[in-house]
Amino acid sequence: EIVLTQSPATLSLSPGERATLSCRASQSVNIYLTWYQQKPGQAPRLLIYDASNRATGIPARFSGSGSGTDFTLTISSLEPEDFAVYYCQQRSNWPITFGQGTNLEIK
Amino acid sequence: VLLVESGGGLVQPGGSLRLSCAASGFMFSNSWMTWIRQTPGKGLEWVATIKEDGSEKFYLDSVKGRFAISTDNAKNSVYLQMNSLRAEDTAVYYCAGRNFESWGQGTLVTVSS
Repeated sequence: EIVLTQSPATLSLSPGERATLSCRASQSVNIYLTWYQQKPGQAPRLLIYDASNRATGIPARFSGSGSGTDFTLTISSLEPEDFAVYYCQQRSNWPITFGQGTNLEIK
Repeated sequence: VLLVESGGGLVQPGGSLRLSCAASGFMFSNSWMTWIRQTPGKGLEWVATIKEDGSEKFYLDSVKGRFAISTDNAKNSVYLQMNSLRAEDTAVYYCAGRNFESWGQGTLVTVSS
């Protein structure tokens, strides 16, 4: 099973700042890495698929990069609605696995 | 695009439940469908996936032999039959489709005596 480790566990920033979230895989997942945003009481929302492709309707301030074992989600300038929990997920190998999440909170 | 889960509830250990997920607004018959669960302690956990034609099914090891995923294309629905339920199966269960682009709102399954 591929283990995904997200860092940091909690990130405290202010609106307008840049957020950089990391996801590291225990073995290569090629580019098959997805990022989700989840707000309390809601289902996860797909942001980025295949490491760097924004999903339909996702603002351009969200970008993803990386391949192999190291991936980054960047939010260029935080909006108030961006404070949430972010998860990465790999679909390179069965079982599909998720990271433990990064809680992006308002400073 | 809409996915609506139903069938969750309280069940005793060893019991059974059948979750349903009704889909609309997309070509259901062309979409792999997946069940994912979420608990406060373990976060998001993939449970099962079925290929669009039903020819292949994939399961989390801990649910193999106890859970079964199936689809009914005539009803645009995916199901999760859960047998021999354990306390550790307690979670909110989500269905997802369109390569995880669409998710339902989730249904809570509680396994407790």
